[in-house]
Amino acid sequence: GAVVSQHPSRVICKSGTSVKIECRSLDFQATTMFWYRQFPKQSLMLMATSNEGSKATYEQGVEKDKFLINHASLTLSTLTVTSAHPEDSSFYICSARSGPRNSPLHFGNGTRLTVT
Amino acid sequence: KNEVEQSPQNLTAQEGEFITINCSYSVGISALHWLQQHPGGGIVSLFMLSSGKKKHGRLIATINIQEKHSSLHITASHPRDSAVYICAVPTGNQFYFGTGTSLTVIP
Repeated sequence: GAVVSQHPSRVICKSGTSVKIECRSLDFQATTMFWYRQFPKQSLMLMATSNEGSKATYEQGVEKDKFLINHASLTLSTLTVTSAHPEDSSFYICSARSGPRNSPLHFGNGTRLTVT
Repeated sequence: KNEVEQSPQNLTAQEGEFITINCSYSVGISALHWLQQHPGGGIVSLFMLSSGKKKHGRLIATINIQEKHSSLHITASHPRDSAVYICAVPTGNQFYFGTGTSLTVIP
């Protein structure tokens, strides 16, 4: 079945540094990718939606200058957390789909970010 | 084989019908989540359950830990229930997701 690879699975970084998380669709072309964030014991929160070749659409309250999303190809989207702070520590998950809105979603396994 | 298998992938129902979505998993879990994703992408957590049955309004979720199977039922379905329903199982620091069931309820 379709696979989405998310890397790294865990990352620890110092305050003020930037961290890049990659989301790759391994055997299909992902026209749309979603980035989510999950705080402990809470549900997933959609951060942004990206379509290949265009700017990401950010949800209200998500700082686009802090969470840079690039969807440069049909198989790769990246989320860069810039100038990370401890409150950015969270679980980040991407998902991808290859077609219209009723197409199956394929999720990455997530990235646990810890900012010290 | 995926760790989480969900069926059906697509489902169309008439308003008022009783709907069942199934989820089977192969990993050991402490809890299972049912999520609802609206067409815009936003996700709402419907249930988190580790045993038995939970009910919220017209939604019912059941889980059988021994059989590693969960079902989500919608009674008296309504067009506003149209969405993608996803089951997800967290194990440690990883989440495994089903591919979702796209539900369309026709008036």
